[in-house]
Amino acid sequence: DAMVIQNPRYQVTQFGKPVTLSCSQTLNHNVMYWYQQKSSQAPKLLFHYYDKDFNNEADTPDNFQSRRPNTSFCFLDIRSPGLGDAAMYLCATSGRQGNQPQHFGDGTRLSIL
Amino acid sequence: TQLLEQSPQFLSIQEGENLTVYCNSSSVFSSLQWYRQEPGEGPVLLVTVVTGGEVKKLKRLTFQFGDARKDSSLHITAAQPGDTGLYLCAGAQSGGSYIPTFGRGTSLIVHP
Repeated sequence: DAMVIQNPRYQVTQFGKPVTLSCSQTLNHNVMYWYQQKSSQAPKLLFHYYDKDFNNEADTPDNFQSRRPNTSFCFLDIRSPGLGDAAMYLCATSGRQGNQPQHFGDGTRLSIL
Repeated sequence: TQLLEQSPQFLSIQEGENLTVYCNSSSVFSSLQWYRQEPGEGPVLLVTVVTGGEVKKLKRLTFQFGDARKDSSLHITAAQPGDTGLYLCAGAQSGGSYIPTFGRGTSLIVHP
């Protein structure tokens, strides 16, 4: 089935040690999103790609970077994770139009030691 | 200020009870989506509503889009423990960005 796949499902890293989370999609969607979600809260948009165009949210920390080498893959790089970055990270995709729903991966749970 | 005000934020009920979750805005939306998210997983789309006044049913779940396309509700009849999860409404503003806005979410617990 067409889907959004995130790897790994669980990631443990040390304070300050760079970490990369990955997302792949088989839906051929133009738009890919990265969200941060903390317990029982709504997902918070970090940034998104519209095709190759990168769009950063104003309040996304500089510590967070992203790469989209092709349509299918997108990466979230956290350069120097702090304790406050422990969260669920969700990748989502959608088509171009605003009324199209998003398709989410199952997320990566990031823990910081 | 949240563009989409979702309420209630938390709901703890007994199996068999009915409940309604609301999603309200002062803005017009081209569509609204409802998602359910279970612990440790990503949100899963339940429904998209597009037309003002639209009502959609998904088994015991009834979704309504307001006539003016500014609000939506989710009603669950005879809730079951399997309905437990975080319910999220999201939508893209009419004439605005394609990026959807999320409500704060409603965390529902249904006790057996």
